[in-house]
Amino acid sequence: NAGVTQTPKFQVLKTGQSMTLQCAQDMNHEYMSWYRQDPGMGLRLIHYSVGAGITDQGEVPNGYNVSRSTTEDFPLRLLSAAPSQTSVYFCASRGRGRNEKLFFGSGTQLSVL
Amino acid sequence: GDSVTQMEGPVTLSEEAFLTINCTYTATGYPSLFWYVQYPGEGLQLLLKATKADDKGSNKGFEATYRKETTSFHLEKGSVQVSDSAVYFCALSDSGNTPLVFGKGTRLSVIA
Repeated sequence: NAGVTQTPKFQVLKTGQSMTLQCAQDMNHEYMSWYRQDPGMGLRLIHYSVGAGITDQGEVPNGYNVSRSTTEDFPLRLLSAAPSQTSVYFCASRGRGRNEKLFFGSGTQLSVL
Repeated sequence: GDSVTQMEGPVTLSEEAFLTINCTYTATGYPSLFWYVQYPGEGLQLLLKATKADDKGSNKGFEATYRKETTSFHLEKGSVQVSDSAVYFCALSDSGNTPLVFGKGTRLSVIA
């Protein structure tokens, strides 16, 4: 199994540009989520989804959109990038049940100039 | 709401020293508890977990015991190695359909 796959690994954007961070998992997990991690800080939840067609906001959703048209994919869209969105982004998924662990992707390092 | 509080770092230890990273939680139900580790340049990965009171999770020499009476899940290792240098996150889960609640992370540096 590939697990959770994120692309790209690195990205540089100019202020105002848009882009989509891709996330795919091959474990048939219903729950998927996006986090950002700033230097010296912990994880902050952006958006999450408990199944295809269902999404919800996390702690820091402003400036980001998500959709969940399939179980496998959960893309994160930056509509108009801002320097404050410079961060490392992680996608994660888990199976059903509170005992299930969260599987993380390897991250996308995004810089907005 | 649910929350996790873990000791602030950074923590710097010499090789073979004893490690404790404190973690306490607040939850309305009976959560599962986790420790995740993040090595430099990587995503988080599960280190250990415990799903009910008095359970002990263990992995790679690390241990943590689910203490309901003190609402704690402290991470311990008897003899740390340079390769244990990483950021450690404590987390709880109330259900499979809600996000995990993470602590802020504790950076550990082990020097030879």
